[in-house]
Amino acid sequence: DIQMTQSPSSLSASVGDRVTITCRASQGISNSLAWYQQKPGKAPKLLLYAASRLESGVPSRFSGSGSGTDYTLTISSLQPEDFATYYCQQYYSTPLLTFGGGTKVEIK
Amino acid sequence: QLQLQESGPGLVKPSETLSLTCTVSGGSISSSSYYWGWIRQPPGKGLEWIGSIYYSGSTYYNPSLKSRVTISVDTSKNQFSLKLSSVTAADTAVYYCARTPGGIVDSVGWGQGTLVTVSS
Repeated sequence: DIQMTQSPSSLSASVGDRVTITCRASQGISNSLAWYQQKPGKAPKLLLYAASRLESGVPSRFSGSGSGTDYTLTISSLQPEDFATYYCQQYYSTPLLTFGGGTKVEIK
Repeated sequence: QLQLQESGPGLVKPSETLSLTCTVSGGSISSSSYYWGWIRQPPGKGLEWIGSIYYSGSTYYNPSLKSRVTISVDTSKNQFSLKLSSVTAADTAVYYCARTPGGIVDSVGWGQGTLVTVSS
């Protein structure tokens, strides 16, 4: 089965900062990667899929890139509503799915 | 608008079987080529995919839970269900049901989640 390693597990940043989160798969996943944002007490929200495709309604400050085993989520200018936990998820082996461990973005 | 709603006991005793049902409204569970799945999240921890089922009944399970998990579907009731046997405190989590088209859970594809606590 495919393992997903996400880093860092947490980070502190200020409003306006550029933030990058990385996700590494244990094998190539051909851009079959999604990113989710989760706020406390809520279900996760899809941000991007196919590594770089923005879900409808998601602000353009969110972007994704990568290939093979290594992928990144970038928030170009962190906004107050972006403080949350972010998860990557591979669906290359769908219907078998795997999530990364999560990255908590906190206020500096 | 598609909606998913989990239901079931919020408290389960150790060694017993956790049983949850997801009721789907606003769409037929068998009308589209989607997998329907269960995802859980222990308090303060990350997301873990438990398993998925196709409307035809084909099932796929997380290898780490496979020996204890059964997922079934009842198309007549537009529901799918989760059974997790021999639970321990480590199975305490918020359990989400989800629709996973192509392996992705989109904005309308999540249930609200239900907390299940394993305790005597």
